[in-house]
Amino acid sequence: ETGVTQTPRHLVMGMTNKKSLKCEQHLGHNAMYWYKQSAKKPLELMFVYNFKEQTENNSVPSRFSPECPNSSHLFLHLHTLQPEDSALYLCASSQAPAASGGTNNEQFFGPGTRLTVL
Amino acid sequence: AQTVTQSQPEMSVQEAETVTLSCTYDTSENNYYLFWYKQPPSRQMILVIRQEAYKQQNATENRFSVNFQKAAKSFSLKISDSQLGDTAMYFCAFIPNTDKLIFGTGTRLQVFP
Repeated sequence: ETGVTQTPRHLVMGMTNKKSLKCEQHLGHNAMYWYKQSAKKPLELMFVYNFKEQTENNSVPSRFSPECPNSSHLFLHLHTLQPEDSALYLCASSQAPAASGGTNNEQFFGPGTRLTVL
Repeated sequence: AQTVTQSQPEMSVQEAETVTLSCTYDTSENNYYLFWYKQPPSRQMILVIRQEAYKQQNATENRFSVNFQKAAKSFSLKISDSQLGDTAMYFCAFIPNTDKLIFGTGTRLQVFP
């Protein structure tokens, strides 16, 4: 596979469930990102990882727990979510961190996971 | 606060015509990067065009071009010779001097035959 892949593509879960979203990038990039996309709202950056280290946590509730075991994989662990957490969750990667400048900060996005919390 | 505003929630254009999507942003930074992303109905977001704020020349990528007005903090996207495949959500975004890519709310573009 090429580019940025995300699994599952669709997920329905109850508020008491625990699930994980997976993102994998095949581009040799060093930075990875989680975004939340809700209808009629700007994409919200959730987490940033540079070289496996978390460099940004955009005031995300603790029921979302990211994990970056290596520079190619990024997970988002979910537990005790609320219905308002239903959204499209997008993963992205870039060769260099966003602030580094140049063409290396272009972000490549995955297809997203459509999450529905009942 | 650093924000991006896209004032047109929806736009439509006839095939082969030209359409311009507007975007304004707010930042106190002097150096930053601006982007237009396209998200087709299949949901994969792809980069359409980028502009470095320190470059005065407007970026162009085939049928896509921008009108970058730094003083006005305006960054509009012009799509020439519109094609059916241009139907998508278009997001304006910028990176100030942080790791955050800040997005607007998007403009839904429908190209009609």
